[in-house]
Amino acid sequence: DTGVSQDPRHKITKRGQNVTFRCDPISEHNRLYWYRQTLGQGPEFLTYFQNEAQLEKSRLLSDRFSAERPKGSFSTLEIQRTEQGDSAMYLCASSPSYSNQPQHFGDGTRLSIL
Amino acid sequence: AQTVTQSQPEMSVQEAETVTLSCTYDTSESNYYLFWYKQPPSRQMILVIRQEAYKQQNATENRFSVNFQKAAKSFSLKISDSQLGDTAMYFCAGNAGNMLTFGGGTRLMVKP
Repeated sequence: DTGVSQDPRHKITKRGQNVTFRCDPISEHNRLYWYRQTLGQGPEFLTYFQNEAQLEKSRLLSDRFSAERPKGSFSTLEIQRTEQGDSAMYLCASSPSYSNQPQHFGDGTRLSIL
Repeated sequence: AQTVTQSQPEMSVQEAETVTLSCTYDTSESNYYLFWYKQPPSRQMILVIRQEAYKQQNATENRFSVNFQKAAKSFSLKISDSQLGDTAMYFCAGNAGNMLTFGGGTRLMVKP
């Protein structure tokens, strides 16, 4: 068990560019979650997957945000046409599929928009 | 809908002493779990302790224990024998369905 892995750890990009982050969950976990954490705040839920199905996406911040988990293993979070306000830490978590099990978090990807 | 509130932005404690972090929540769910997570500086968030709402007994994990007052919707974390490694942001969170709702966090500094 290597834990939840996120790549890259830090992404710096210019405003207007597209960025994509990757998350590899704990191998036996069916559920995968994305959160956004701004400085000094608690994480904010964005979306989650059960295997390859995206079961909740209404909390994605705008239509510039999208996430995929095509084979039910790793997931990607894409932000198109980045804005200054997108600067934040993007956290991925995973858990087993039975309800209310603790979520295990990765180290996060810190996005900085120039 | 669910809300989680942590009213203490920062706290400090002397090494080896006891500290209590406060959390209140509100939820319309009848079955829910509550969690405390720890986030050390520049490191990943890790689970400290969890409480099942239908259990009356307060959860305990070594030096960490909770005081769960369901009627008051209060869920505080007590850290006994504080250690320098306990220095971190602490987040209270509730699980409504499949998403965690986090409080704003309490920054805890353990002083030698």
